[in-house]
Formats: sequence, C-alpha cells, structure tokens
Amino acid sequence: GNSVTQMEGPVTLSEEAFLTINCTYTATGYPSLFWYVQYPGEGLQLLLKATKADDKGSNKGFEATYRKETTSFHLEKGSVQVSDSAVYFCALSDPSSNYKLTFGKGTLLTVNP
Amino acid sequence: NAGVMQNPRHLVRRRGQEARLRCSPMKGHSHVYWYRQLPEEGLKFMVYLQKENIIDESGMPKERFSAEFPKEGPSILRIQQVVRGDSAAYFCASSQTDGRNEQFFGPGTRLTVL
Repeated sequence: GNSVTQMEGPVTLSEEAFLTINCTYTATGYPSLFWYVQYPGEGLQLLLKATKADDKGSNKGFEATYRKETTSFHLEKGSVQVSDSAVYFCALSDPSSNYKLTFGKGTLLTVNP
Repeated sequence: NAGVMQNPRHLVRRRGQEARLRCSPMKGHSHVYWYRQLPEEGLKFMVYLQKENIIDESGMPKERFSAEFPKEGPSILRIQQVVRGDSAAYFCASSQTDGRNEQFFGPGTRLTVL
C-alpha cells in the first residue's frame, strides 16, 4: 500500500536558519505530493503541492521538488521565521482515486527568536 | 468566511459509550472526507461522502463505525461501543467538487476513551 515517511521531530531552529524536513514515499503509479501545515488550534492547510516528476511546489518561501528517482519530496526554506512554528505533514494522493490522501506522522517545528 | 468546523474539539467517553463527531464543511462544499490520526501515526483516510451518499468507505473499520452526510446539517461520524483503541484525533475535510480539488481541513476532534 501507499506510505509516507517523514523526518522525526521535533525540530528546533533559530530565526533565519535554513530548514529541511525530509519526506520519502512509497506508492504504485504516480501520486501527487503535498505538504500541509497545521498551526496551533487550527486545521491542516495546504502549503504546496507537485503533481508530476521534477515539478517544484513553492509557497511563502517554502519549496519542495518531486524526485521520482529517489521517491522524495523534501521541504526546504532558506530563512525561517518565528511564525513558521507549526506541525508540517507530507502527504500523497492515491493515483487511482485522487481524493484518498496518505500522510506522514508530522514534524513539529519550533523557531526561536 | 468560516472554514471547516468540527465539534466538539475534545470528547471524553468511557468504554462502551457512543461517540458522535460533527463536521460542517465550508460553504459551497458538498464533498466531505474523514481521517483518523492514531497516536504516533499519520492521518489515515476513513471515508468519503457526498450529500446523502457514501462514495468510498474503504478506510472505515468494519464494525462500530458509521458516517453520514444528510441533505441538511453536518456530517456525522458515529462510533458505537467505543474501546480504548478508538482514542485518536479525527479530522474532517471538505472540497468543492471531488478530491482533485484541494481538501480543506477542520481543526480535528480529539477523542479520549477512558
């Protein structure tokens, strides 16, 4: 079946540090890949997505590139802010159904001033 | 401009009781999805509903769990005779059309079974 493995947290960084959260996946076919973010007390929000190999998703300074050869979708940001503190989830959509999302366990990021 | 609403946010039940979780989708959304996050795991798909129809319930446990999305009112996830293993966070999402559109998530209901 489909699965997503992402970097264990928690991750603690200082403001303006570089962020990488690793994500690898297992799926049959060609899934779409997503990063969701959950701020305290809120629902998950779509941060960025990529629908085919070599696509780069980007939003709010975050980027991730769909790497088919390494089955990876690592999240990066060059300079984090305190407001980026949240839980980040990597996910994929089942290629046969599109609506069925499979998530990683989530990575808690804390950014200190 | 309310997002997806879920209530209650926290629910405590004793073993054998029933749990009812409610989800009101975003305005204009007619597709609802339920996901469960067990401790130390990622969110797992449970069921996909449209108004008055269950489209895909392949992720629902075979017994004690049911879901509905009536013509009027919120979607309900019902768990009968809860057990400790049902303790989890239950997330609802909605989309405007089918899942190829972005799913918007609610804040979740955290169920604790004593």
